[in-house]
Amino acid sequence: NAGVTQTPKFRILKIGQSMTLQCTQDMNHNYMYWYRQDPGMGLKLIYYSVGAGITDKGEVPNGYNVSRSTTEDFPLRLELAAPSQTSVYFCASSYSQPTGMETQYFGPGTRLLVL
Amino acid sequence: AQKVTQAQTEISVVEKEDVTLDCVYETRDTTYYLFWYKQPPSGELVFLIRRNSFDEQNEISGRYSWNFQKSTSSFNFTITASQVVDSAVYFCALLSGGYQKVTFGIGTKLQVIP
Repeated sequence: NAGVTQTPKFRILKIGQSMTLQCTQDMNHNYMYWYRQDPGMGLKLIYYSVGAGITDKGEVPNGYNVSRSTTEDFPLRLELAAPSQTSVYFCASSYSQPTGMETQYFGPGTRLLVL
Repeated sequence: AQKVTQAQTEISVVEKEDVTLDCVYETRDTTYYLFWYKQPPSGELVFLIRRNSFDEQNEISGRYSWNFQKSTSSFNFTITASQVVDSAVYFCALLSGGYQKVTFGIGTKLQVIP
């Protein structure tokens, strides 16, 4: 298994540009998550999904959109990039049942710089 | 409200010393999970351990051990005989009350000096 993969690894955007961060997992996990990690800080949840077709906002959703058309893929969309979105973005997945909360496994991260 | 406090932002130890990383959490939920993750300089996040709120047994895995105490809302992590490869940022995280309620501490940067 490749686990959780993310592309690209690094990207520079100009203010106002848009882009999609890709995330794919091959573990058949039903839950997927997007986090951002700012320098010297912990991770903050942007969006999460409990299954294909279902997404919901996390702690810091403004400026982002997500979709979950398949179990495997959970892309994160930035519509109008702003310098405040300069960060490292981590995608994670877990297999969670209604009565349990399972471990989240993380992708390698995407480093985004908005200038 | 949920909160995870890692009061030690940076720790330096000499190789072979023992070191304990502190984690204090706050939650009103009775069911919750606690995690420790390691983030080496390469940047990826590596899962180390998960502990649920009903299991206060301490855990030992090689040189790593974890002390979970509900009475003090703490989930501390000890590395015995530290090695240079242990140099990383370590995050404590709390998962409770639904899958959106994931709270990470700000991390403790551990530097092991040869």
